[in-house]
Amino acid sequence: AQSVTQPDIHITVSEGASLELRCNYSYGATPYLFWYVQSPGQGLQLLLKYFSGDTLVQGIKGFEAEFKRSQSSFNLRKPSVHWSDAAEYFCAVGAKGNKLVFGAGTILRVKS
Amino acid sequence: DGGITQSPKYLFRKEGQNVTLSCEQNLNHDAMYWYRQDPGQGLRLIYYSQIVNDFQKGDIAEGYSVSREKKESFPLTVTSAQKNPTAFYLCASSMGGTSGVDTQYFGPGTRLTVL
Repeated sequence: AQSVTQPDIHITVSEGASLELRCNYSYGATPYLFWYVQSPGQGLQLLLKYFSGDTLVQGIKGFEAEFKRSQSSFNLRKPSVHWSDAAEYFCAVGAKGNKLVFGAGTILRVKS
Repeated sequence: DGGITQSPKYLFRKEGQNVTLSCEQNLNHDAMYWYRQDPGQGLRLIYYSQIVNDFQKGDIAEGYSVSREKKESFPLTVTSAQKNPTAFYLCASSMGGTSGVDTQYFGPGTRLTVL
């Protein structure tokens, strides 16, 4: 069965510092991978997705993610974090039948 | 503006009552989904529908029911059989029409609290 692991429940970074959020997946075939962001009390917004092709994917708000098949990872990165990036981030893998399996999320705190 | 709307934003229910959460989309998407979100558990799939008049159970369907009579609407009923319904409920939609995977877009959510 498909599964997604986000090892970090909370991460705190200083404003202007770089960010990397980890995501590991388990899936037997070529995965379809997503990163979403959620502000408190809001819905999820798509940051980026990987379906095929270039393993380095660019998204909105200056985020990027790299698919590494050998490590079963799809880590999210941003070179310089802004206070407005504080939110919860979810990694998801697309499963057969057009379903998504989500990780438990990582809460990002940004300190000034 | 195209998008997904959910209403109400906040909902309070007494124990033993059924309540219905609304989800409407004007994206002309074929597929719609309901998720439940609890702190520290990510999102869990309740029900999904790939086409009008058809829907399937997700991972945690017990105590919930849905209907899909119109393409743009996918209401979720939380019944009295749901033992712990207090949660944040999210509706999503995608283009669908394939057996593969496509991108899901989410509504703003409904927070249900049982009193």
